[in-house]
Amino acid sequence: DTGVSQNPRHKITKRGQNVTFRCDPISEHNRLYWYRQTLGQGPEFLTYFQNEAQLEKSRLLSDRFSAERPKGSFSTLEIQRTEQGDSAMYLCASSAGQSYGYTFGSGTRLTVV
Amino acid sequence: GESVGLHLPTLSVQEGDNSIINCAYSNSASDYFIWYKQESGKGPQFIIDIRSNMDKRQGQRVTVLLNKTVKHLSLQIAATQPGDSAVYFCAERGDDYKLSFGAGTTVTVRA
Repeated sequence: DTGVSQNPRHKITKRGQNVTFRCDPISEHNRLYWYRQTLGQGPEFLTYFQNEAQLEKSRLLSDRFSAERPKGSFSTLEIQRTEQGDSAMYLCASSAGQSYGYTFGSGTRLTVV
Repeated sequence: GESVGLHLPTLSVQEGDNSIINCAYSNSASDYFIWYKQESGKGPQFIIDIRSNMDKRQGQRVTVLLNKTVKHLSLQIAATQPGDSAVYFCAERGDDYKLSFGAGTTVTVRA
């Protein structure tokens, strides 16, 4: 296991379409986080899981966004009815609990046209 | 809400010189701080961290200083190299265990 893996790396979609991203965390990490990053800004928290439980969702996460981590391993982030404002880098990170920093993946860059 | 911020959005440094990147934070409940480096098209990469019960921590070519009195964090990079060119973020962890990031400082190393 070499780190956090995210797929796809890039996604271009038309406005109104649904998209789904996948994150595979480091295998022994029980916490998984989703962040969004727009150009020139730092990452903004979206949601996080401890094992399979989604413990918190940011108010940035509208009803069009849903995240799952069904078996406490990989996670998916789905955006329904995409809008141009959804264009951003979506970052996934994992950690081995409350006492450790995060390891980030390379992100999925979404462009909504 | 409270957030982490960086003093300068850009920093230009001569190769071989030392770099200092500053960060101000406002959440006095934060107990853990991390510096990340982000290169174009990549996710943030961990550089060094420090807990609130420390005021200095050293790594390889990097040093993080924490001044809790004025809520200030800095990252020092010794003998800056071209490969150090990137965006640097400080992040703080509050009592909810989530990391909050500032806007970042873009470091450009001049040959």
